[in-house]
Order: sequence, then C-alpha cells, then structure tokens
Amino acid sequence: AQSVTQPDIHITVSEGASLELRCNYSYGATPYLFWYVQSPGQGLQLLLKYFSGDTLVQGIKGFEAEFKRSQSSFNLRKPSVHWSDAAEYFCAVGARILSNFGNEKLTFGTGTRLTIIP
Amino acid sequence: SQTIHQWPATLVQPVGSPLSLECTVEGTSNPNLYWYRQAAGRGLQLLFYSVGIGQISSEVPQNLSASRPQDRQFILSSKKLLLSDSGFYLCAWSVFNSPLHFGNGTRLTVT
Repeated sequence: AQSVTQPDIHITVSEGASLELRCNYSYGATPYLFWYVQSPGQGLQLLLKYFSGDTLVQGIKGFEAEFKRSQSSFNLRKPSVHWSDAAEYFCAVGARILSNFGNEKLTFGTGTRLTIIP
Repeated sequence: SQTIHQWPATLVQPVGSPLSLECTVEGTSNPNLYWYRQAAGRGLQLLFYSVGIGQISSEVPQNLSASRPQDRQFILSSKKLLLSDSGFYLCAWSVFNSPLHFGNGTRLTVT
C-alpha cells in the first residue's frame, strides 16, 4: 500500500523568503504525485501534479515541485512566498483505480501548515 | 465549466442521530466520485469512491455508508452518529486522466 510522509508539521517563513516543503512517498510502481493547498475551512485546490515526463513540474501561484525517484521525494518549492500563501499544504500519491482508467485513489500526507511572517 | 457543490457547510448533530451529506457535480458526465474525511491534525482519509451509478467501494470499515442514486450525486449517510464521526468531510470528483477536484467541505461536529 502506498504512503506519504510530510515530516514538517508547521513551517514559518518570512514574506519574500524561499520555501521548500518536504514530501516522501512509498509506492511500488511509478507514482502519480500531487500537491494540494487548503485554506482554513475550505476544500483543497490542486497546485501541481506529476504523472510522467519532466521531473520538474510547474504549478499555479508560482509553485514548482521536483520528482526524485532515487530519494522517493516530491518536494514543493517557491522562490519567494507571499502572505497569501499561508495555508495548509498536502502531498498525495495516487494509485489507479482501474487498469485502463486515468483516475486515482489518493493517499494524502498529514499536511504542513505554512505561516508567513511580515 | 465543472463545479461541485457540497452541503451543508456546517453541521452539529447529537450522538445517535442520523446523517445525510450531499454532493453534486455539474458540467461533466460519468465522473468518479469520492468521499474523504479529514480529522483534526490528520491527513485526508478516503472513505468511499464510486465509478458509476450504484457502484460504491468502501475503503475503511466504519459507521458510515455512501450511495450514488444519480450520475452526478453522491450521498454520505449514517443511521446513528458516533462522537468519532466528527471531522471535515470532503467530496471530490475526477474524470479520465484528470486529478481530483474537491468541494468546499462539510464541518461535522457530533456532540
């Protein structure tokens, strides 16, 4: 069974500073990997996804993530954070429901809460 | 464009009472539908998913059930709520080769 570890429960960074959120996964095959963001009391919004191909993927809001198979990692990065980036971030790994289907059952990490200080 | 609706946004129910949460999707056909639960301080746990009308797969044994009476309608139910059912419930949908799209969730507090 797949699993996801987000080792940092809470991270605080200054506005304008760079950000890296860590994600490690366990999966027996080539994974589908995702980063979602959740604002308080809201649903989850997809930031970016990795299915195949280029291991550096670009997402919305200036985020990017790099898939490193050798390290089983999919860390999320942003060169300069904005106060509006304060939220909870979830990494997820997906498994196909059906062999000929492109949809996944996602296993989520426990999330990293990001606080931005002025 | 596709949209997903979940209601109610907030619900407070006593222990032993029934539950019905509804989720509907607009703008797409034959989506996969999912119910996730997010407990305080924990990640999201997949409860149920459905690949078609009347087809429900349960991921974890629990006090809850799900039904899909129409193509774009997914209902989460319980006959008798437990305190441990409290949490944030999220409905989501996907279609072929697309990631999950989530609703805004329902905050359930069982008292």
